[in-house]
Amino acid sequence: GIQVEQSPPDLILQEGANSTLRCNFSDSVNNLQWFHQNPWGQLINLFYIPSGTKQNGRLSATTVATERYSLLYISSSQTTDSGVYFCAVSNFGNEKLTFGTGTRLTIIP
Amino acid sequence: DADVTQTPRNRITKTGKRIMLECSQTKGHDRMYWYRQDPGLGLRLIYYSFDVKDINKGEISDGYSVSRQAQAKFSLSLESAIPNQTALYFCATSDWDRETQYFGPGTRLLVL
Repeated sequence: GIQVEQSPPDLILQEGANSTLRCNFSDSVNNLQWFHQNPWGQLINLFYIPSGTKQNGRLSATTVATERYSLLYISSSQTTDSGVYFCAVSNFGNEKLTFGTGTRLTIIP
Repeated sequence: DADVTQTPRNRITKTGKRIMLECSQTKGHDRMYWYRQDPGLGLRLIYYSFDVKDINKGEISDGYSVSRQAQAKFSLSLESAIPNQTALYFCATSDWDRETQYFGPGTRLLVL
């Protein structure tokens, strides 16, 4: 099946800093989603982005499907951005999302 | 009210017991999913259903069963719980286009 690798596994930043999280995948995809899991465990969908670029406030994402990677940018980090960020993908003919192991982001006040 | 609800939110049980986790949704989605999350790992798919008459195994279905009682309800059962089924369990839904999955709050299960 498709493999998903996220980097870095852990990231600690000062409040106000910017960050870039990366997701590499091993095959062509027709679905790519970014999720944020907050410290209480709740999973929230951030972006559906199988290709192209999207922005939502301080967050933006870019997927370069031909090179099999996606980037999640967080600008002006706040403590509420702390948690684990997951990338999940599925490929053509496969209805199931495969999740990466996540990037744990800790924002220090 | 939350769009996707799970009950119970926390459960402690003993090895060999049967346990059922329930999921309800008010989003009107046809597709529903059960995932399990272990510490330090991503989510792994247990079962999924595209409508009431459709049930499909995911990557880790052994030791689990499901029931899709209605469009809005999807239950996960552990017929005989074992300690390595201790995990955080999530239910999720999506519309036919699969563009976005919406997750419930999760159920923390501890099997002693």
